[in-house]
Amino acid sequence: DAGVIQSPRHEVTEMGQEVTLRCKPISGHNSLFWYRQTMMRGLELLIYFNNNVPIDDSGMPEDRFSAKMPNASFSTLKIQPSEPRDSAVYFCASSTSRLGEQYFGPGTRLTVT
Amino acid sequence: AQSVSQHNHHVILSEAASLELGCNYSYGGTVNLFWYVQYPGQHLQLLLKYFSGDPLVKGIKGFEAEFIKSKFSFNLRKPSVQWSDTAEYFCAVIPVNSNSGYALNFGKGTSLLVTP
Repeated sequence: DAGVIQSPRHEVTEMGQEVTLRCKPISGHNSLFWYRQTMMRGLELLIYFNNNVPIDDSGMPEDRFSAKMPNASFSTLKIQPSEPRDSAVYFCASSTSRLGEQYFGPGTRLTVT
Repeated sequence: AQSVSQHNHHVILSEAASLELGCNYSYGGTVNLFWYVQYPGQHLQLLLKYFSGDPLVKGIKGFEAEFIKSKFSFNLRKPSVQWSDTAEYFCAVIPVNSNSGYALNFGKGTSLLVTP
C-alpha cells in the first residue's frame, strides 16, 4: 500500500499567488481530513470529508481557503490569495471512518514570502 | 471549551530512562484515544489507540498507554527509551458522539530528546 500521497512536498510562493495542494487517500478509505501544523497553533483540523462530501469545514481559516474532493481518490486544498501567515505544513489524512485511526501523508511544507 | 492537554512540552532523557508523558482531555462523553509520533522531518504515525476494553493498551516499539476514565487521562509510557525515540509525541482524542464535533483533537505535542 502506497499510503497517503501528497504533492507537492515543498511549495514556495509569493504573497498573493494561488496555491493548490493535492492529496490521494488510501484506497478504500472514505474519510479524508486536511490539517495544518504550525509551531504556534500545533495541529489544526481544517476540513473533514466523508464519502467525498464536506462534513465539517469549521476549521477553514477564511474564504481564501477552499477544499474539494471530486472523487474518492483525490482531494485539493486551495489558498487564493496566499499570505505569509499561511506558511505551515499541511497534512492530509485518511481513515475508514471518522472514529478510526487516521493515516497521515508526508505533508506539504508551504512557505509564502 | 473541550481540549486535550499535554503537560510536558519538552522532555530530555538519557537512554534507558523510563518515560511517561501525560495527556488529559476535557470531553465528557465516550471518546476514542490515540497517541501519534512524528520523527524529525517525517509525518505522523500511529503509536497506539484505545477504543474500548482493557484500559492498558500496548503499541509499537515498546510503548504502552493507560486509559483512566475517572481522571480523563491517557498517559503514554515506555520502560526504557532509546536514542531513536527522539521525536514529537501527540495525544489525540475524538468524541464518539458526533454532536461534539468531527475533529480528531490533538494536544500541542511533547518534544522528546533522548541523549546517549
